[in-house]
Amino acid sequence: DSGVTQTPKHLITATGQRVTLRCSPRSGDLSVYWYQQSLDQGLQFLIQYYNGEERAKGNILERFSAQQFPDLHSELNLSSLELGDSALYFCASSVAPVSGANVLTFGAGSRLTVL
Amino acid sequence: DQQVKQNSPSLSVQEGRISILNCDYTNSMFDYFLWYKKYPAEGPTFLISISSIKDKNEDGRFTVFLNKSAKHLSLHIVPSQPGDSAVYFCAASGSGGGADGLTFGKGTHLIIQP
Repeated sequence: DSGVTQTPKHLITATGQRVTLRCSPRSGDLSVYWYQQSLDQGLQFLIQYYNGEERAKGNILERFSAQQFPDLHSELNLSSLELGDSALYFCASSVAPVSGANVLTFGAGSRLTVL
Repeated sequence: DQQVKQNSPSLSVQEGRISILNCDYTNSMFDYFLWYKKYPAEGPTFLISISSIKDKNEDGRFTVFLNKSAKHLSLHIVPSQPGDSAVYFCAASGSGGGADGLTFGKGTHLIIQP
């Protein structure tokens, strides 16, 4: 158990629908990251939050949004779902060091299937 | 534009031998490089990292080498064990510490054969 909890583990839905993926970071970590892993692709960075505020944005579609709440848990909202959104979505957290390697701790992922 | 490249999708190595996984990068601003290991149905787990001011970092059976002029790094696993069979991701970040996320390669599937 990495300490990063993601729910749900699996989700099957239809095109056009909206889903919410939830992430609880490791205790003490202030920063949360969302990554998408599609078939044969690496981990694509979507978005980062630090202590409730958006810190960095990657290749996140406009149909996707995220937030980090005061208790530091985060949600990734995916709307108007398309077949191509089927992927593994990983949440990661870190202490967000001032300097040095930023070691991310990953959750087990949420597998989204859009039919 | 892929800034971190792992050109070998898979690698098969005999148990007990050395496994060498390679990674190339294009962004000269990267300051830290990390390797992650991923088993099926699990999230990636951190293995080892190296700063750009070093050329080698060792942790038990795992050694990472960095050739900054060639923008190339490699992970050596000696000796390879069956439990090492997994997908290995190379990742890189700038010097901004927590302000920087990680940029990942597509991964190399390492298969350790008995």
